[in-house]
Amino acid sequence: EAGVAQSPRYKIIEKRQSVAFWCNPISGHATLYWYQQILGQGPKLLIQFQNNGVVDDSQLPKDRFSAERLKGVDSTLKIQPAKLEDSAVYLCASSLSYTDTQYFGPGTRLTVL
Amino acid sequence: QKEVEQDPGPLSVPEGAIVSLNCTYSNSAFQYFMWYRQYSRKGPELLMYTYSSGNKEDGRFTAQVDKSSKYISLFIRDSQPSDSATYLCAMSHYGGSQGNLIFGKGTKLSVKP
Repeated sequence: EAGVAQSPRYKIIEKRQSVAFWCNPISGHATLYWYQQILGQGPKLLIQFQNNGVVDDSQLPKDRFSAERLKGVDSTLKIQPAKLEDSAVYLCASSLSYTDTQYFGPGTRLTVL
Repeated sequence: QKEVEQDPGPLSVPEGAIVSLNCTYSNSAFQYFMWYRQYSRKGPELLMYTYSSGNKEDGRFTAQVDKSSKYISLFIRDSQPSDSATYLCAMSHYGGSQGNLIFGKGTKLSVKP
């Protein structure tokens, strides 16, 4: 069974630029999560989708971050404009439902200069 | 006070040693307790999960939860160099759900041959 796929794996941008990350969850998984992991910290949930609806986006900085999950499968996370403090690994995870084990992708490492 | 506290280490042990990793937490509403292992430049993978208080064993790994003390532990017996990774504890607010995981900072473990 294929795991959670993410791209790109690495991205370097300058502050105030825009960036987008893509996630393809495990086939059949209804729940999708985006986490931010700053160096030396544990992952922090940014947004949770159930199919294509948002369940929890309470920690998403909505003035600059946006996310969507079209057709309840793939998802994109966008940052516009990026700040220095957005430098982190962005992890996507998926689960069969919100009560099941979350499986993580390899992450996208973002560096904002 | 952060919701979940975890000593970031690093922790270095010789091969074959018993390793003890710990987390404390402040929110008595947490119901599910998990340990994730994260290798360098990879996403976290679930090692163990426990519901409420008690012990759970899986091969060389034992997870313990003491809700009265708000303290959880992961023990690794006969540690191997392949166990070298960052270990993250995680907890869930919602009874019956793994959604919205709250992670500790992670403890970096190195097992020397």
